Amino acid sequence: AQKVTQAQTEISVVEKEDVTLDCVYETRDTTYYLFWYKQPPSGELVFLIRRNSFDEQNEISGRYSWNFQKSTSSFNFTITASQVVDSAVYFCALQTGANNLFFGTGTRLTVIP
Amino acid sequence: ETGVTQTPRHLVMGMTNKKSLKCEQHLGHNAMYWYKQSAKKPLELMFVYNFKEQTENNSVPSRFSPECPNSSHLFLHLHTLQPEDSALYLCASSQDLAGGATPYNEQFFGPGTRLTVL
Repeated sequence: AQKVTQAQTEISVVEKEDVTLDCVYETRDTTYYLFWYKQPPSGELVFLIRRNSFDEQNEISGRYSWNFQKSTSSFNFTITASQVVDSAVYFCALQTGANNLFFGTGTRLTVIP
Repeated sequence: ETGVTQTPRHLVMGMTNKKSLKCEQHLGHNAMYWYKQSAKKPLELMFVYNFKEQTENNSVPSRFSPECPNSSHLFLHLHTLQPEDSALYLCASSQDLAGGATPYNEQFFGPGTRLTVL
């Protein structure tokens, strides 16, 4: 069975602080894809990143970085120098085989000015 | 319009009403999805359509009735809903279903319809 756990329900940080959002996944498949989506107050989920299970190289995109660790089944997301516009709900998701996406429960991030 | 659009953005209905949610994607995608997002729960996949054909019904009660007249439009018809059906209903689309030539399933989401059932 597939499962995604985002243990942090809500996080608050002061602007310019760094913050890491945790994601732990479960799957018996050896080939799978991991995603992060951002849901701003407007409602739509915005795609941020996709990684496949064979690529453990960490990725950096501007202030965003992702740490994929197969040994701990984790795919954590770090925002450096957070900004108020980063306030949103962030979802981690898993896709295996020809299945659809399995989402975590999301982490609500509030960046305080 | 670009991306995935949904109307209405907000809907309040009584339990005996009949209403419909509309989703339209302008991305040339072949697959479309309905999700339900309730507070503190993972997104729940409701229905999947591929080339207008329903490929998945995730044990959704019959008071929710989807319709996909073409690959660009998806409707969710609502009838005799319950208060616990109040949620954000999100529509998404992807180029194709995962598998074969498309190993991953990157979905593009609309802004959702916030439904309140009184």
